[in-house]
Amino acid sequence: GAVVSQHPSRVICKSGTSVKIECRSLDFQATTMFWYRQFPKQSLMLMATSNEGSKATYEQGVEKDKFLINHASLTLSTLTVTSAHPEDSSFYICSAGARGLGEQYFGPGTRLTVT
Amino acid sequence: KQEVTQIPAALSVPEGENLVLNCSFTDSAIYNLQWFRQDPGKGLTSLLLIQSSQREQTSGRLNASLDKSSGRSTLYIAASQPGDSATYLCAVLTEAAGNKLTFGGGTRVLVKP
Repeated sequence: GAVVSQHPSRVICKSGTSVKIECRSLDFQATTMFWYRQFPKQSLMLMATSNEGSKATYEQGVEKDKFLINHASLTLSTLTVTSAHPEDSSFYICSAGARGLGEQYFGPGTRLTVT
Repeated sequence: KQEVTQIPAALSVPEGENLVLNCSFTDSAIYNLQWFRQDPGKGLTSLLLIQSSQREQTSGRLNASLDKSSGRSTLYIAASQPGDSATYLCAVLTEAAGNKLTFGGGTRVLVKP
């Protein structure tokens, strides 16, 4: 149980375009989802926390108008990178937690390359 | 603000040797600590979760200890195999941080056959 999926696994987009990444909890209801980014050979950095039905909370230094997060249901959260630039190229990982579980379950990640 | 440190940053051992990975954290008021494994280009695989009231957790060849008062956790991997080569991350869920995990920088492990 506690499986989290991400789609797509890899995406290449041109500079200036937008790209959407989906994060789904497949077998449990995720009241909270988290979005991380990871640069090569570095650890995960939390970008934002999203709670179902409310606005996301962004970490300091993360542009909320550039990284749009929607958590419209208990099983789906989306991250949209708007007006992507090459420096947005990174590995984006989501995780999901359910009330009372005290554990986060991680998706397989999405590799974004902006050309 | 919670800070998590993992030492060493990289480790290379011959097959069969035991692995000892260290994780330290500055704020001891934690809910739990997790150890993860990450293969290159892949997501995270949860290995062990230790609640703040526990002192250790075991799963197969893996054993993780937690000393909350001193802010330390150690992951032991017995009889290492080449398949254990990966990056190992520890993360803590801190009371003051709500439900946000704070990650260490990871330890890159290479087990040589």
